[in-house]
Amino acid sequence: GAVVSQHPSWVICKSGTSVKIECRSLDFQATTMFWYRQFPKQSLMLMATSNEGSKATYEQGVEKDKFLINHASLTLSTLTVTSAHPEDSSFYICSARFGANTEAFFGQGTRLTVV
Amino acid sequence: EDQVTQSPEALRLQEGESSSLNCSYTVSGLRGLFWYRQDPGKGPEFLFTLYSAGEEKEKERLKATLTKKESFLHITAPKPEDSATYLCAVQGDNYGQNFVFGPGTRLSVLP
Repeated sequence: GAVVSQHPSWVICKSGTSVKIECRSLDFQATTMFWYRQFPKQSLMLMATSNEGSKATYEQGVEKDKFLINHASLTLSTLTVTSAHPEDSSFYICSARFGANTEAFFGQGTRLTVV
Repeated sequence: EDQVTQSPEALRLQEGESSSLNCSYTVSGLRGLFWYRQDPGKGPEFLFTLYSAGEEKEKERLKATLTKKESFLHITAPKPEDSATYLCAVQGDNYGQNFVFGPGTRLSVLP
């Protein structure tokens, strides 16, 4: 299957600082990338969808100014958690797909801990 | 509104004991149904895509089937390494390119 690489796999940051998470499709061009948040023993919660060169579409209840998403190229999307607080601590996962109605491939996930 | 439910919530099997996981869905204009496997602390791993009722896909000990209302993931003679959470997702006309995920089934295969 196609490979999606997500970095870092874990990060600890101080409250009030910003953290950037990268998501790269290594062997295909991703027309669409997705960012999810997952709480323990729960399913994936979609945060936003982004297409290369366009502004991300955020799900209801997700703060656009806190979770900045950039999809600058067909192989790279970034999620920046700005002014992070302990309640932002979670498991963040990206996914990418190469065409409409096709499967999406997921990154390894990033465990964010804000102290 | 598109909805996906999965049953059972958790399943314990003995090694070699075959079983099936269920994914029931309500979606306007199914564009695709997807099965994923997720290990703790990792991102989901793609297993299958099904597009139309009657379609079946197989991979090693896993077989996925699709009807107009549900999908089954059949696990034949499971091994302990098959232990994981299995997620089902659908894509329909209502949400464009987004997936709607089910809550998952936590499978434990005991040696």
